[in-house]
Amino acid sequence: GAVVSQHPSRVICKSGTSVKIECRSLDFQATTMFWYRQFPKQSLMLMATSNEGSKATYEQGVEKDKFLINHASLTLSTLTVTSAHPEDSSFYICSARGARGTYSGANVLTFGAGSRLTVL
Amino acid sequence: AQTVTQSQPEMSVQEAETVTLSCTYDTSENNYYLFWYKQPPSRQMILVIRQEAYKQQNATENRFSVNFQKAAKSFSLKISDSQLGDTAMYFCAFVVFEDDKIIFGKGTRLHILP
Repeated sequence: GAVVSQHPSRVICKSGTSVKIECRSLDFQATTMFWYRQFPKQSLMLMATSNEGSKATYEQGVEKDKFLINHASLTLSTLTVTSAHPEDSSFYICSARGARGTYSGANVLTFGAGSRLTVL
Repeated sequence: AQTVTQSQPEMSVQEAETVTLSCTYDTSENNYYLFWYKQPPSRQMILVIRQEAYKQQNATENRFSVNFQKAAKSFSLKISDSQLGDTAMYFCAFVVFEDDKIIFGKGTRLHILP
């Protein structure tokens, strides 16, 4: 089945530094990748949608200069939290999908295992 | 705007019992997908079951089945013979055909008690 690898699983950084999280589709080409943020005991909040080769579409209220998303290839998307602050501490999850416009058959949304970011 | 509502924040049942998790949604669209995702303590999101809105037959995956009532916009998940490993957060989710954005409910935390 489809596998999405997300790295690192945990990262601790100092306030003011930047952190990059990678999301890779291992056995399929991900035309679309999604980045979510999840606060403790809450649901997933969609941050942005990225399609390979184009700029990410950010949800309302998400600072695109703070959360830089790059989807340079069909198997890799990255989320960079720039100038991180303690309030950016959270659990970040990526997901990936093959073909656009359908969730039928083998084309399902596959999630990475998530990355826990702690900003000191 | 599309919304997904899970009215049960938390539930507990004994092992081997059957439990039903509720989900309602609101949309003016006719073609869409509905999902139940499971998030165990590891926090890995796992697809439990999927239903295409145009299919009248309820989806089934082993011990997991849904009761899809399109007119009522209801999509409940039934877990039969519940197991300790079913302990997790369960999210109901919805996406319109040709759309990119999956909308998640707030989740139901399910505890299976030994």
